[in-house]
Amino acid sequence: GAVVSQHPSWVICKSGTSVKIECRSLDFQATTMFWYRQFPKQSLMLMATSNEGSKATYEQGVEKDKFLINHASLTLSTLTVTSAHPEDSSFYICSAYRGRQQPQHFGDGTRLSIL
Amino acid sequence: AQKVTQAQTEISVVEKEDVTLDCVYETRDTTYYLFWYKQPPSGELVFLIRRNSFDEQNEISGRYSWNFQKSTSSFNFTITASQVVDSAVYFCALRMAAGNKLTFGGGTRVLVKP
Repeated sequence: GAVVSQHPSWVICKSGTSVKIECRSLDFQATTMFWYRQFPKQSLMLMATSNEGSKATYEQGVEKDKFLINHASLTLSTLTVTSAHPEDSSFYICSAYRGRQQPQHFGDGTRLSIL
Repeated sequence: AQKVTQAQTEISVVEKEDVTLDCVYETRDTTYYLFWYKQPPSGELVFLIRRNSFDEQNEISGRYSWNFQKSTSSFNFTITASQVVDSAVYFCALRMAAGNKLTFGGGTRVLVKP
C-alpha cells in the first residue's frame, strides 16, 4: 500500500488564492521530504528539500516567498502556493526520504489549476 | 555535477513486443544508487528498482529486467512481452551515496498498442 499520502489530488481555484498541499509519510518518520514540480510531458523538477524542524532548502530559481514549505512534524510537510496565478498551474508531487538503503517514496501528486 | 540522460523520448510498440529503455548517467562519485520509476497516466510515481554502484549483477523481475554496465555508465531497462498496462512514462534516476537528492532523466514515454 501507499507509504506517502498527498492531499488534495486536484485543486481548481481562482487567481490570487493561496493553496496548501499536504504530504504525509504513513508508516515511517521522514526527517526529509522533497517537493517537485512537473510540467506536461516533462521530467520532475526539484523545487525544495523540506527538513523537519528547520527551514527548507530551495533550488535555484524557486521563489521561497511564493512556495512556502513547512515541515512541522516527522510525518507531515506542507507546500503552500501563495497568491497563485495561472502560471503556477502544474503537477506537484512530494516524496519522503527513508534512508540511504531505501528508495524515495512518492505521493500521488496534486494537479493544480489556477483560473 | 550529476546528470541522467534518457535519449528516447517516446517509444511505441505493439503488444507482446519487447522494449528496451536506455539510461546513461554521469557522476564523479564512485558510490551511488540508480533507480527506475514508472509514472502511469494517473500521475503517481511507482518505484521499480534500485541498484547500488558496486553491484553490477543484472536483475530480472517477472517481465522486467535491468542491465547495469558500469563501464559504459548505463542502466538499461527491458520490458519483455509488453502489455497495454505497461504504457507509462519511465524515469531513470541517480542518487549519490552521500546525499539524498534524486537526479532524474527526462523520461521515456512508452506506448503499447493492442
